[in-house]
Amino acid sequence: DTAVSQTPKYLVTQMGNDKSIKCEQNLGHDTMYWYKQDSKKFLKIMFSYNNKELIINETVPNRFSPKSPDKAHLNLHINSLELGDSAVYFCASESGATYEQYFGPGTRLTVT
Amino acid sequence: AQSVTQLDSQVPVFEEAPVELRCNYSSSVSVYLFWYVQYPNQGLQLLLKYLSGSTLVKGINGFEAEFNKSQTSFHLRKPSVHISDTAEYFCAVSPRRGMDKFYFGSGTKLNVKP
Repeated sequence: DTAVSQTPKYLVTQMGNDKSIKCEQNLGHDTMYWYKQDSKKFLKIMFSYNNKELIINETVPNRFSPKSPDKAHLNLHINSLELGDSAVYFCASESGATYEQYFGPGTRLTVT
Repeated sequence: AQSVTQLDSQVPVFEEAPVELRCNYSSSVSVYLFWYVQYPNQGLQLLLKYLSGSTLVKGINGFEAEFNKSQTSFHLRKPSVHISDTAEYFCAVSPRRGMDKFYFGSGTKLNVKP
């Protein structure tokens, strides 16, 4: 059983396109996150949702729009993709009991 | 505000040697502390965490870390590393209050050589 899953695992697309990444967790957690990891492995938080409500919105271009249809899902939609959006995007969910974050396997986005 | 510093971007070490990966943090509030490991092309996996209690915490794969409040450090150690420990290691802090974010360090690449 995969705790946090993401689709797709790889995404190659051209500049200007719109794409979505999906995330699902089956851990029953209320809080979920999106992170961006650049080529130097630096992890930057993008968004956080708690029970479908946006609670953290870091300085991210408004081309990025998260959407949480229910507390088990947190999707990321990106409009007008740019070369600088190339990175690995990780979804995570957080246990309210142990404060651990559980990460998905990542989505490697390549914009050409 | 919180911040996390991992001073060593890369740590080369020979197999079966001991290793210490350093983590220092700054925070105006009490924090929870974590170490995560990222193997190539994978997501992050929790190694260990400090929430309260004993300052020496043991994690998976033989790793341990010690919380030092006076030095605001949470260094990760392993007495004898294996080739399979080659990975990126991230230190993270989370303020002890609800619905706040993790602050990750920049990561340390542990490279275990035969």
